[in-house]
Amino acid sequence: GAVVSQHPSRVICKSGTSVKIECRSLDFQATTMFWYRQFPKQSLMLMATSNEGSKATYEQGVEKDKFLINHASLTLSTLTVTSAHPEDSSFYICSAQRGDWYNEQFFGPGTRLTVL
Amino acid sequence: EDKVVQSPLSLVVHEGDTVTLNCSYEVTNFRSLLWYKQEKKAPTFLFMLTSSGIEKKSGRLSSILDKKELFSILNITATQTGDSAIYLCAVDSSRTGNQFYFGTGTSLTVIP
Repeated sequence: GAVVSQHPSRVICKSGTSVKIECRSLDFQATTMFWYRQFPKQSLMLMATSNEGSKATYEQGVEKDKFLINHASLTLSTLTVTSAHPEDSSFYICSAQRGDWYNEQFFGPGTRLTVL
Repeated sequence: EDKVVQSPLSLVVHEGDTVTLNCSYEVTNFRSLLWYKQEKKAPTFLFMLTSSGIEKKSGRLSSILDKKELFSILNITATQTGDSAIYLCAVDSSRTGNQFYFGTGTSLTVIP
């Protein structure tokens, strides 16, 4: 199968600090990774599409200076929430797309961010 | 504007009931429709549908796609408490690369 991990699974931080979330594809190379945000009892909202070696494409309404995405290798993408505020508290999920399965995304387990 | 709409938003049934979840879509360059089940963490894959009229089945779950009327249904028969979850429908469009457009989700609660 195709396994995607996220780290950390849960993080609590103070307002004003930055938090980095890692997304790794463990047994395949991911040409594209996606970052989603999910509020309680709501669906997934796509934040950005990340391609290895190039700048991420952000969805409308998502602040790229606040949510920094880096896709440094074919197995790792990171999302950094800068100067976090309580309203950034959410569940962040990444997914990775394998090159030969263009329409299947493999989801990470998610990261629960709580900003105090 | 591309959109995916699921109904109902939430549903409460008793064990043993049969439920039908709906997903309608308006997406350009449709490629496939996917159903996911989400419990406490990330969504888990259920079905991928690309062709109209062909039912996909897995145990008590089944799903079918109608590309003419632009919708899909997910059926769950003989529901169990373990079926309680959010069911997400996503449409894969080739218009903007390989993005998925997720629906609003249906929250299903099965009570004993």
